[in-house]
Amino acid sequence: AQKVTQAQTEISVVEKEDVTLDCVYETRDTTYYLFWYKQPPSGELVFLIRRNSFDEQNEISGRYSWNFQKSTSSFNFTITASQVVDSAVYFCALSHTGANSKLTFGKGITLSVRP
Amino acid sequence: DGGITQSPKYLFRKEGQNVTLSCEQNLNHDAMYWYRQDPGQGLRLIYYSQIVNDFQKGDIAEGYSVSREKKESFPLTVTSAQKNPTAFYLCASSIWGGNTEAFFGQGTRLTVV
Repeated sequence: AQKVTQAQTEISVVEKEDVTLDCVYETRDTTYYLFWYKQPPSGELVFLIRRNSFDEQNEISGRYSWNFQKSTSSFNFTITASQVVDSAVYFCALSHTGANSKLTFGKGITLSVRP
Repeated sequence: DGGITQSPKYLFRKEGQNVTLSCEQNLNHDAMYWYRQDPGQGLRLIYYSQIVNDFQKGDIAEGYSVSREKKESFPLTVTSAQKNPTAFYLCASSIWGGNTEAFFGQGTRLTVV
């Protein structure tokens, strides 16, 4: 069975602060994929990143960075110098490989960035 | 523009009625999915389809039905058997399988009145 835990439910920061969103996962598979999605108030989920279990390199994309650590089964997401437009619900998700693979989502973290 | 279109955006249903939510994609994706989102619950998978004329139940399929007669279309019917249908419904598609990037529609908010 697969499980994704996002222990933080709501985070509020002031603009320009850095913020880290935590994600812990459980799986028995040796090969799997991890994702982060952003859901702005409009409702549509937007893909942010996909990482496979064999690639533990951290990734940086502009103000966004991701820290993947297999040893702790975590895939944390950091926003540097947060902006009001970063306010959204952020979901971490896990998928196995092979036929009928599907995404298992965490419950999401609501991030509010105040001006 | 390629993407996923869900309609309608808002839907009201009387208790005891079936209602069908539309989902169309022009991305030429093989896989399509329906999720239900409730406050504090994240996204839960209702049904998914990896290929035309085939679909599988997700985690919360009871009270729902789907069809996949065309690659582009994956409509979801919320039947009167669904005891608590008020929720936000999201449709998604991916090239193939859940381990590829999924593209989401803007959702349908269903309210039972």
